[in-house]
Amino acid sequence: KNEVEQSPQNLTAQEGEFITINCSYSVGISALHWLQQHPGGGIVSLFMLSSGKKKHGRLIATINIQEKHSSLHITASHPRDSAVYICAAQLQGAQKLVFGQGTRLTINP
Amino acid sequence: DAGVIQSPRHEVTEMGQEVTLRCKPISGHNSLFWYRQTMMRGLELLIYFNNNVPIDDSGMPEDRFSAKMPNASFSTLKIQPSEPRDSAVYFCASSLFVESNYGYTFGSGTRLTVV
Repeated sequence: KNEVEQSPQNLTAQEGEFITINCSYSVGISALHWLQQHPGGGIVSLFMLSSGKKKHGRLIATINIQEKHSSLHITASHPRDSAVYICAAQLQGAQKLVFGQGTRLTINP
Repeated sequence: DAGVIQSPRHEVTEMGQEVTLRCKPISGHNSLFWYRQTMMRGLELLIYFNNNVPIDDSGMPEDRFSAKMPNASFSTLKIQPSEPRDSAVYFCASSLFVESNYGYTFGSGTRLTVV
């Protein structure tokens, strides 16, 4: 079993839909990161969070430390949100990131 | 700041050749990371440096891989000799490691193809 598990692996939705991507981890962490990668493109850091919730525009990230679970939400999704979203656990006491396998999101117009 | 700069963007080389990937981190960042991304294994940490010192190289696949950071503004990842299974996208990232308050900035990656 991977230390960081994401679901779903693939998600296709219509423009405007509310999107949720889930991440569960089994290791002790100091922070949880959400990253975005567009096809053929680089990786952008969206959020780093260690508790509660963060919001940036239409993106919201939440984390429940007790349940070792984080979610990334996208409101009013748009085709430009189509990308791979990667959850990464920052191991406790280290700077090392352990990555989930990613969720490929496709938003159709 | 121009961000994390990696070169080259693409590299095609023949099996057995030496390959050197380069990275310039963001000025002022004190940590640098080399990651590899493949379809099969996703993103994996190869090695990271704090203040130019290698801290964790447990992800380096084998002795064919080596990484150096001679100063705060430059790092290299070398593969010698290269093999087809080394084909992947290699990302460099940097961060400012201040306790409990840091994020990562990734470079655009180097797509390596070994034929």
